[in-house]
Amino acid sequence: AQRVTQPEKLLSVFKGAPVELKCNYSYSGSPELFWYVQYSRQRLQLLLRHISRESIKGFTADLNKGETSFHLKKPFAQEEDSAMYYCALRRGGGATNKLIFGTGTLLAVQP
Amino acid sequence: GAVVSQHPSWVICKSGTSVKIECRSLDFQATTMFWYRQFPKQSLMLMATSNEGSKATYEQGVEKDKFLINHASLTLSTLTVTSAHPEDSSFYICSARVISGDNEQFFGPGTRLTVL
Repeated sequence: AQRVTQPEKLLSVFKGAPVELKCNYSYSGSPELFWYVQYSRQRLQLLLRHISRESIKGFTADLNKGETSFHLKKPFAQEEDSAMYYCALRRGGGATNKLIFGTGTLLAVQP
Repeated sequence: GAVVSQHPSWVICKSGTSVKIECRSLDFQATTMFWYRQFPKQSLMLMATSNEGSKATYEQGVEKDKFLINHASLTLSTLTVTSAHPEDSSFYICSARVISGDNEQFFGPGTRLTVL
């Protein structure tokens, strides 16, 4: 069965500090991994996906198949990064494949 | 970018009544829409996958007779909570997937349902 684990419910850091939001998954095939972000009172939106290998708002995430991880990182946190972050997995291929979400990590960046 | 709307944004109803929530993809077509439920400070739990012109696929533990889903067109899916009870109070979020190579999924703003 597919599963996404985000071990931290809350991560509090100071502005300018590095951030790492952890995500581990379990899936026997080749998954698509995503990070979604939900700012206060806003809808869920895609932050980045592993196949794009891009940096969005300074965030990066590398898929590590050996460790089955897809941790989200940013070298210097900003106050506007404060939000709820969800890691999600989707089986590779197929438009109807569903997204499975982790439980989310609330990132709080202190001034 | 692609926009998904939901209506209403919030609704309060009496126990035993039915409530319909609409989900629309405003500027794109979506053969597949998803309905999620989110409890306070918790993750999104997938309720069902809705395919245009066919019956929805429900996740285990979700009562299909209680949560009726209709996906009549490529831009509209509806979720009807029948005979609502206080335990159905929750935040319901729909999502639509773009018909394109990357199959990106866009989320609606959610509907807050409170059953008295």
